[in-house]
Amino acid sequence: EVQLVESGGGLVQPGGSLRLSCAASGFSFRSYWMHWVRQVPGKGLVWVSRINSDGSGTTYADSVKGRFTISRDNAKNTLYLQMHSLTAEDTAVYYCARDLVASTLAQWGQGTLVSVSS
Amino acid sequence: DIQMTQSPSSLSASVGDRVTITCQASHDITKYLNWYQQKPGKAPKLLIYDASNLETGVPSRFSGSGSGTNFTFTISSLQPEDIATYYCQQYDNLLTFGPGTKVDI
Repeated sequence: EVQLVESGGGLVQPGGSLRLSCAASGFSFRSYWMHWVRQVPGKGLVWVSRINSDGSGTTYADSVKGRFTISRDNAKNTLYLQMHSLTAEDTAVYYCARDLVASTLAQWGQGTLVSVSS
Repeated sequence: DIQMTQSPSSLSASVGDRVTITCQASHDITKYLNWYQQKPGKAPKLLIYDASNLETGVPSRFSGSGSGTNFTFTISSLQPEDIATYYCQQYDNLLTFGPGTKVDI
């Protein structure tokens, strides 16, 4: 069974940093592109970033470019999202998702909540 | 950037009703469109990929159609467990989600 389990969310002050993790199991993690998608509670889904299977290629939404870094450790079956210079607008539930093919998100984690507030 | 719109933003229907949601892209995305279902407090779930292909294990009452800029998602006979918000998502150029359609009974 495919499982994606996010962790690392929490309360952080504006301007702070946080690193999210997504532990994957039940599939060949190293073979798939992975994504982060976020959702402000009660609002819609917003794509954040993606990384290719070997970690050599990354893409970001304009809203996080230069502040967030996506990475992966295929030996540990884990996806990461390093977030810097956080603002209140980054407050959201962050989901990791497995890319079935061509940015079709076939499996999602349960999400981890990031709250940016003083 | 490709923008996605959905209509309606919400709807209320009865059990057994046929429900239709439309999704429009700001540019031609050929067939590069997916549909997801999100129940309250849960992660999204892929229902339809490539505009019209049913994901494995998804009930056949769900269907999708369309190409280019105009797409349709249909529930042929609404069931109580279908209460959710439905999102379209283009992947012709990066990824963009529509704003969602909330379906109530």
